Amino acid sequence: GAGVSQSPSNKVTEKGKDVELRCDPISGHTALYWYRQSLGQGLEFLIYFQGNSAPDKSGLPSDRFSAERTGGSVSTLTIQRTQQEDSAVYLCASSLALHTEAFFGQGTRLTVV
Amino acid sequence: QKEVEQDPGPLSVPEGAIVSLNCTYSNSAFQYFMWYRQYSRKGPELLMYTYSSGNKEDGRFTAQVDKSSKYISLFIRDSQPSDSATYLCAMSVQTGANNLFFGTGTRLTVIP
Repeated sequence: GAGVSQSPSNKVTEKGKDVELRCDPISGHTALYWYRQSLGQGLEFLIYFQGNSAPDKSGLPSDRFSAERTGGSVSTLTIQRTQQEDSAVYLCASSLALHTEAFFGQGTRLTVV
Repeated sequence: QKEVEQDPGPLSVPEGAIVSLNCTYSNSAFQYFMWYRQYSRKGPELLMYTYSSGNKEDGRFTAQVDKSSKYISLFIRDSQPSDSATYLCAMSVQTGANNLFFGTGTRLTVIP
């Protein structure tokens, strides 16, 4: 079953360290999204990639957050100098095109200690 | 004020009960309304999708949108233990998963 795959499932890191979260979208999906789900908060949009277009970074909370998508497929979300408030589940989703249903991965649970 | 408000619960009901889940919103421009189901340690999955006002039924699930009251509902009939999950409402002005505003989710437990 080729769903959206995220790794690692869980990540514990020390405050101040950098982390990289990986997302493998469904094959053939041109759109890819990153969301953050914090305790007691709804899903918060972070960034969106569509084909070869420039990404929509409007949801990134600070310049410590960045993401790239190589070859129109795999995406990496990088958080530099992690803070305790970065602790959350980071969800990746992909869709065939912008206006079609998005399918979510299982998420990466990040804990900053 | 949040764009979308949703009671986090938790909500516990006996098997077979009718469940009512609700969200309110403040942006009158929202016209696309969704309900997602999220099992523990899993990503959300789309359950129901409605455009503008009205009702939509799919099996045991019914989604209602009342734009005049800025209020949406999801009803689950004959609830089953397998319905135990967190239910998230989401809505947007335009289509596209990059435009969605989510509620915080309501955790539902259906007791056998």
